[in-house]
Amino acid sequence: GIQVEQSPPDLILQEGANSTLRCNFSDSVNNLQWFHQNPWGQLINLFYIPSGTKQNGRLSATTVATERYSLLYISSSQTTDSGVYFCAVERGGFKTIFGAGTRLFVKA
Amino acid sequence: GAVVSQHPSRVICKSGTSVKIECRSLDFQATTMFWYRQFPKQSLMLMATSNEGSKATYEQGVEKDKFLINHASLTLSTLTVTSAHPEDSSFYICSASRGSVAGEWSYNEQFFGPGTRLTVL
Repeated sequence: GIQVEQSPPDLILQEGANSTLRCNFSDSVNNLQWFHQNPWGQLINLFYIPSGTKQNGRLSATTVATERYSLLYISSSQTTDSGVYFCAVERGGFKTIFGAGTRLFVKA
Repeated sequence: GAVVSQHPSRVICKSGTSVKIECRSLDFQATTMFWYRQFPKQSLMLMATSNEGSKATYEQGVEKDKFLINHASLTLSTLTVTSAHPEDSSFYICSASRGSVAGEWSYNEQFFGPGTRLTVL
């Protein structure tokens, strides 16, 4: 089956710093989403981005489908950005595969 | 829009009992609902996919007689963990998706409930 790899696995930032999270996938996909899981377990939709670039405030994402990767950019990080960031892909037939996640901690 | 609720948020039960978890899409009709399981500090693993009015499709290794899924309507799916044992303790999360609708949501975009933490003693 399709493999989804996220890097880095862990990341510690000073508040105000920028960061880039990466998601590589091993085969073509129909859909790709980025989520933020907060400390209470809730997954929050960040981007639905099977291809192209999107921006939402301090966050932006780019997916290059032909090269099988997606990037999530966080600018001017805040302590509330802490949590786990997941990339999830769907190849077809509604089967969604999640990456292992990037655990982010932003220090005040 | 795109709010999904789960109930209960937390449940503690004795070994051998059955537990039902409800997942509702509050402000949209979900063509498909999904159930995931998440162990501490791990990723989400898809357990099953369900469409309203039809049988759920279970992922390999998930016992369908143990994890009963009923998708009764376009806004409600339930997961029943039958004869629960301590190894079933986990965080269970549902999601819902809606087909493509012009102007708002993308096809197959999933929206997640807040999760249910199950502890089996």
